[in-house]
Amino acid sequence: TQLLEQSPQFLSIQEGENLTVYCNSSSVFSSLQWYRQEPGEGPVLLVTVVTGGEVKKLKRLTFQFGDARKDSSLHITAAQPGDTGLYLCAGARTTGNQFYFGTGTSLTVIP
Amino acid sequence: DVKVTQSSRYLVKRTGEKVFLECVQDMDHENMFWYRQDPGLGLRLIYFSYDVKMKEKGDIPEGYSVSREKKERFSLILESASTNQTSMYLCASSPSTLSWETQYFGPGTRLLVL
Repeated sequence: TQLLEQSPQFLSIQEGENLTVYCNSSSVFSSLQWYRQEPGEGPVLLVTVVTGGEVKKLKRLTFQFGDARKDSSLHITAAQPGDTGLYLCAGARTTGNQFYFGTGTSLTVIP
Repeated sequence: DVKVTQSSRYLVKRTGEKVFLECVQDMDHENMFWYRQDPGLGLRLIYFSYDVKMKEKGDIPEGYSVSREKKERFSLILESASTNQTSMYLCASSPSTLSWETQYFGPGTRLLVL
């Protein structure tokens, strides 16, 4: 079983639509990161959230860390074809140096 | 500019072969990681290293070993490749053990074991 579950696993939407991706766990994390991975490349960090309830915005992307630090969401407003990719959440446990990656959400934005 | 390079983008090997995957980072980072990525499972940690000659098992170390003789280089070894080790292998590095540090990834090696 995965420590971090993402939903949905696949998402295909039209350009201009809004979407939300969820990252859920029963465990508490000291910090949570979101990465985007394009085909043929490694993941690239988008954001890190460290405080329960924290909201960060990156242009059209809004990231939220749950109050209890067990979950997170990524909301994209007015999706563009350039947003297409695999979105991965990753959490650091309160003990140890390891990050745990989520199952991934594959997003396709159709022009 | 931050750079993590992996020795091969694609590899095809036969069952039972010994396989070496090399990873080099040029950022003087303390930590290095090896993950495998499979559809629907995300990234799973195989091994990581927080210093030269130091290694720690991740979630799925069975069938793998690692070597870190120099700070910039972290090698993943498949002692006797099996078909269930067909996967995408990603190497990453991070500056220190702080939990909010960015992990920088290489482009990945897609390994096919026949």
